[in-house]
Amino acid sequence: GESVGLHLPTLSVQEGDNSIINCAYSNSASDYFIWYKQESGKGPQFIIDIRSNMDKRQGQRVTVLLNKTVKHLSLQIAATQPGDSAVYFCAENMSNDMRFGAGTRLTVKP
Amino acid sequence: GAGVSQSPSNKVTEKGKDVELRCDPISGHTALYWYRQSLGQGLEFLIYFQGNSAPDKSGLPSDRFSAERTGGSVSTLTIQRTQQEDSAVYLCASSPAGRGKRWTQYFGPGTRLLVL
Repeated sequence: GESVGLHLPTLSVQEGDNSIINCAYSNSASDYFIWYKQESGKGPQFIIDIRSNMDKRQGQRVTVLLNKTVKHLSLQIAATQPGDSAVYFCAENMSNDMRFGAGTRLTVKP
Repeated sequence: GAGVSQSPSNKVTEKGKDVELRCDPISGHTALYWYRQSLGQGLEFLIYFQGNSAPDKSGLPSDRFSAERTGGSVSTLTIQRTQQEDSAVYLCASSPAGRGKRWTQYFGPGTRLLVL
């Protein structure tokens, strides 16, 4: 079946650098995507969302890019900070279902 | 305002015992979800409640699992005769609208269940 997946299970970046976390999806009918951040011992926290009629959306230090041609979603974090260390996962809304990827662990090195 | 709350935050139980996990959604949210998250894994959908409609139980892994939602607000997930493979983090989420609409799910902190 179609599913959401992630290119990289782990990502390590230097504090102050930009981070890019990727997500691939295979269902062209998906029309809404969300990025969540999950810190250790906590529940997932909404970061940013994007609808399929957009290709870019910016938040505070985060940008989500959607490439429908190749069914690719990415989360960019500017000037990564130690507090950004967490598992990030994307979710796609397909008809009546929301599917979540397994996640990418981001580690920020001081 | 207050977010989604869950209790207990941690639960250790012996194999064969029953456990109840509680979720208090955000006030006014009509949709409520339960998920299971095993170590290092993604979210596994368990059950979905929307208003007064019959819940979608398609994700419940066995008949040992059940859930109810009273008065359209608080929900309880019950696991009977717990097994070691039930050990996981159980997450609850609520949403202002149901499926078929563009919505965001707001998650609680989860209940960490350990079955010895």
